[in-house]
Amino acid sequence: NAGVTQTPKFRVLKTGQSMTLLCAQDMNHEYMYWYRQDPGMGLRLIHYSVGEGTTAKGEVPDGYNVSRLKKQNFLLGLESAAPSQTSVYFCASRRAGNYGYTFGSGTRLTVV
Amino acid sequence: GESVGLHLPTLSVQEGDNSIINCAYSNSASDYFIWYKQESGKGPQFIIDIRSNMDKRQGQRVTVLLNKTVKHLSLQIAATQPGDSAVYFCAEGGGSSNTGKLIFGQGTTLQVKP
Repeated sequence: NAGVTQTPKFRVLKTGQSMTLLCAQDMNHEYMYWYRQDPGMGLRLIHYSVGEGTTAKGEVPDGYNVSRLKKQNFLLGLESAAPSQTSVYFCASRRAGNYGYTFGSGTRLTVV
Repeated sequence: GESVGLHLPTLSVQEGDNSIINCAYSNSASDYFIWYKQESGKGPQFIIDIRSNMDKRQGQRVTVLLNKTVKHLSLQIAATQPGDSAVYFCAEGGGSSNTGKLIFGQGTTLQVKP
């Protein structure tokens, strides 16, 4: 089915470990976004990309890096995980000219 | 700074009644507003959007109202059903930026009583 696929769905990390979250979309969307969702704080933008090879910082970028080497993929990296990065991470994509995002089903990350 | 907020964290309604979920926004330059529905364990799902040059837009069982004078947005759900139980987020975007970034509110939980 067409849409946004996030892997993994769940992950537990120890403080200081690194990992990469993968987001893949097969809708040929130009724009892609990474958000984190915490209780009582809604969705906050981490990084985003307006096209292949481009990335930019969002509202809460510290501790994260991203790459968009291919149009369909947007990777979110944590170089040294901290407990404050325990959250649910959502990837979204959007076609140029449209307003609404298509979201993935999320990655639940726990850092202990 | 920009902020999008919801008036009530939880709304409880009887099945069959109409629901109204409210949202206040602060950026008068926003071009569009979107409502999302998020069910437990899932990603947000697009419900309906409205451009800043509109006051009202209707979808299937849903209506979004925009009052730019008081920077207020509402989502009306007609004949609320148990399947409508979820968290609802408003979001704003546009303005001077062409990045498509959305700013989300904190969400309102809609509980539908049978």
